[in-house]
Amino acid sequence: DVKVTQSSRYLVKRTGEKVFLECVQDMDHENMFWYRQDPGLGLRLIYFSYDVKMKEKGDIPEGYSVSREKKERFSLILESASTNQTSMYLCASSLRSPGLAGGEQYFGPGTRLTVT
Amino acid sequence: AQTVTQSQPEMSVQEAETVTLSCTYDTSENNYYLFWYKQPPSRQMILVIRQEAYKQQNATENRFSVNFQKAAKSFSLKISDSQLGDTAMYFCAFMKDFGNEKLTFGTGTRLTIIP
Repeated sequence: DVKVTQSSRYLVKRTGEKVFLECVQDMDHENMFWYRQDPGLGLRLIYFSYDVKMKEKGDIPEGYSVSREKKERFSLILESASTNQTSMYLCASSLRSPGLAGGEQYFGPGTRLTVT
Repeated sequence: AQTVTQSQPEMSVQEAETVTLSCTYDTSENNYYLFWYKQPPSRQMILVIRQEAYKQQNATENRFSVNFQKAAKSFSLKISDSQLGDTAMYFCAFMKDFGNEKLTFGTGTRLTIIP
């Protein structure tokens, strides 16, 4: 089974702090994704990485950065946390090529971040 | 840019009944993929079913089936013989094609199965 793990289930940070959210997958997937999930808004893509050291902005990258130094690990960084970044953050991974896996994304359990 | 619309924020149905969740999307692409994902309360999101746009046959997975209407850009999910474990948020998602595997999600439908 594919496993995607996230470093914390719950996190409370203060405004202005630098926050690191870590995601690790164990299935050698090329693609990794960071989403934020808010009620009534669904999942919105923050950043996407299709290879080590490669990244692409998603729909809402402002206030976030990412790092992918190893294939299995994808980090989301909030440079200076703000209260409007209070949300559920979901990491996902997928294979890059078509086939039976067919674009399926595998999700981590999520990190509920509260910024006070 | 693609958009995905789920017009039913919440639904509820009696156990063992059939329920249909709606999804419409907007795209100018001809080849693409559509997905339904399920997020049970406090549990991880998992894939329910997948449909390739070039396939006319509707996908089925056990009690789950889709009604894919390409011309109408509609992709509804039917759950037959609903069970308590089907209680979850359901998200419809669109992917353009391989080489660009980003997903665009709808806003979700919260489905409650009533015992």
